[in-house]
Amino acid sequence: GQSLEQPSEVTAVEGAIVQINCTYQTSGFYGLSWYQQHDGGAPTFLSYNALDGLEETGRFSSFLSRSDSYGYLLLQELQMKDSASYFCALSDKLIFGTGTRLQVFP
Amino acid sequence: GAGVSQSPSNKVTEKGKDVELRCDPISGHTALYWYRQSLGQGLEFLIYFQGNSAPDKSGLPSDRFSAERTGGSVSTLTIQRTQQEDSAVYLCASSLAGRGHRNEQYFGPGTRLTVT
Repeated sequence: GQSLEQPSEVTAVEGAIVQINCTYQTSGFYGLSWYQQHDGGAPTFLSYNALDGLEETGRFSSFLSRSDSYGYLLLQELQMKDSASYFCALSDKLIFGTGTRLQVFP
Repeated sequence: GAGVSQSPSNKVTEKGKDVELRCDPISGHTALYWYRQSLGQGLEFLIYFQGNSAPDKSGLPSDRFSAERTGGSVSTLTIQRTQQEDSAVYLCASSLAGRGHRNEQYFGPGTRLTVT
């Protein structure tokens, strides 16, 4: 079947850099998206990769490698407000990953 | 501008009752999605509407679930004969572009359904 796997939890300190990985098993897709969800809130769109390589949006960057069936979200200069769950998603197949809970400590 | 709105925000119902959940997408967004999220879990796709095309119902878990979208705008998700395992947060999203594109989805606040 089709699935997206992510680490369940990642912890880091303010100011650090953290990478959240997403590995997938699927045949053919248009692009990989990333969403952020704070506790009790709705998911919000962060980034999208249609092509292999790095997409940079401020402190957040996302990477895709189709040959490795792998992508990641890179968060730099971590802030306390970045504590949330992060989901990768196959945009056309409407499949979301298992989600990674990021906890940022002072 | 106004975002995606959903109502009710919370719904408690007895097992066996029917419920209707409403979603008002962002004006002009042709694509509308319904997802279900259990506590601490990821998003489970339910149904997708794109313009006037036939909806993709492949994610609906059983025939107790149905949805419609009237006039290409408001959508209603109906769950008949609710079961306790239907308890979850039901999220609606809309996007300007359809699936297969950079379909940046805008999510509503969700409806928390509790079946007792």
